[in-house]
Amino acid sequence: AQSVAQPEDQVNVAEGNPLTVKCTYSVSGNPYLFWYVQYPNRGLQFLLKYITGDNLVKGSYGFEAEFNKSQTSFHLKKPSALVSDSALYFCAVRDRGAGNMLTFGGGTRLMVKP
Amino acid sequence: DADVTQTPRNRITKTGKRIMLECSQTKGHDRMYWYRQDPGLGLRLIYYSFDVKDINKGEISDGYSVSRQAQAKFSLSLESAIPNQTALYFCATSDDSGYSYNEQFFGPGTRLTVL
Repeated sequence: AQSVAQPEDQVNVAEGNPLTVKCTYSVSGNPYLFWYVQYPNRGLQFLLKYITGDNLVKGSYGFEAEFNKSQTSFHLKKPSALVSDSALYFCAVRDRGAGNMLTFGGGTRLMVKP
Repeated sequence: DADVTQTPRNRITKTGKRIMLECSQTKGHDRMYWYRQDPGLGLRLIYYSFDVKDINKGEISDGYSVSRQAQAKFSLSLESAIPNQTALYFCATSDDSGYSYNEQFFGPGTRLTVL
């Protein structure tokens, strides 16, 4: 069975500082990894994904994530946080294979303070 | 995503009532999904459909049923609502094959409260 852990319920960061939202995963094979963001009263929006290749993937709104196979992690990062980045962030994993669906982590609330 | 719409956006109902949540999409995707979101638990898959004739149970299908009326429409029903079905429900779509890796597109959600 596949699973995702987001160990922090909330991350607080000051505007302009770098941010990291952590994600670790467990799959039996090689993973597809995703990050989504949810703003208040909105559905989830896709940010970025890792499929294969370069371990550092870049996505929307200046976010990037680093795939680390040995640590089974896929942490979301941004060099300089904005107040508008405040939202709920979800990591998700999908094992490579027919019929495997996305499994989401519990979510991490990011609070960026001015 | 405006291409995936859900109705109603909010619903309050009573224990034992039957309720239907509807989802429509204009993205032309074959695959559609229903999730529920609970605080701290992320999103959990209720049902998914690969096409009109292919419907599958997800992680937490008990107490729910679905209908895929057309490629663009996927409805979720609670036959007899209970309070622990109070949650935020999301519909999603994807242009996906068995070995593909495309992202899912989510509707705005339906907030359901069962009293």
